[in-house]
Amino acid sequence: DAGVIQSPRHEVTEMGQEVTLRCKPISGHDYLFWYRQTMMRGLELLIYFNNNVPIDDSGMPEDRFSAKMPNASFSTLKIQPSEPRDSAVYFCASSLAPYEQYFGPGTRLTVT
Amino acid sequence: AQSVTQPDIHITVSEGASLELRCNYSYGATPYLFWYVQSPGQGLQLLLKYFSGDTLVQGIKGFEAEFKRSQSSFNLRKPSVHWSDAAEYFCAVGAPRSGGGADGLTFGKGTHLIIQP
Repeated sequence: DAGVIQSPRHEVTEMGQEVTLRCKPISGHDYLFWYRQTMMRGLELLIYFNNNVPIDDSGMPEDRFSAKMPNASFSTLKIQPSEPRDSAVYFCASSLAPYEQYFGPGTRLTVT
Repeated sequence: AQSVTQPDIHITVSEGASLELRCNYSYGATPYLFWYVQSPGQGLQLLLKYFSGDTLVQGIKGFEAEFKRSQSSFNLRKPSVHWSDAAEYFCAVGAPRSGGGADGLTFGKGTHLIIQP
């Protein structure tokens, strides 16, 4: 299995621009999670889906953040407009068994 | 809500020496517990997990962890470290859901492991 796939691996954008991060979960997994990692706050859960339906988005920091999962094999995390404080590594993870989450390599986002 | 504390930000160990990384959690019942490892520029890899049963769990790469309910701890151990073990280690907790199924994990801030030759 290819594991969780994220793209792009690195993204540099200017403040105010729209950013879209992409994730392909492991085939057959029915849970998908988005996390953000920063030095100050560590790893934080942003949102997660079960069978393509958002279950808990209480970790999404602001309305500038949105996530979708149009089908079982694809999810996006969008930031519009982006701000420098959004700079972080964004991880996608998927799972089948409860809690045994498998993480992707992450997308390093830099907003200048 | 659950929380996780990893009291050691950095730990330095000589190659071949034993290792113990500390993890304490806060939760009203027995949570699901995990240790993940992150190498520089990489994602997180699951080392081991505890759901129930035997409180000493074995993981990959020679790691083990022991769940101690009385101390709300889930410390990670390895009898002899290798230079390749240098990485960031994260303890995580998940709250069991009554209807089953997964939920998001709460992570500790991590412990940076340095291996001295």
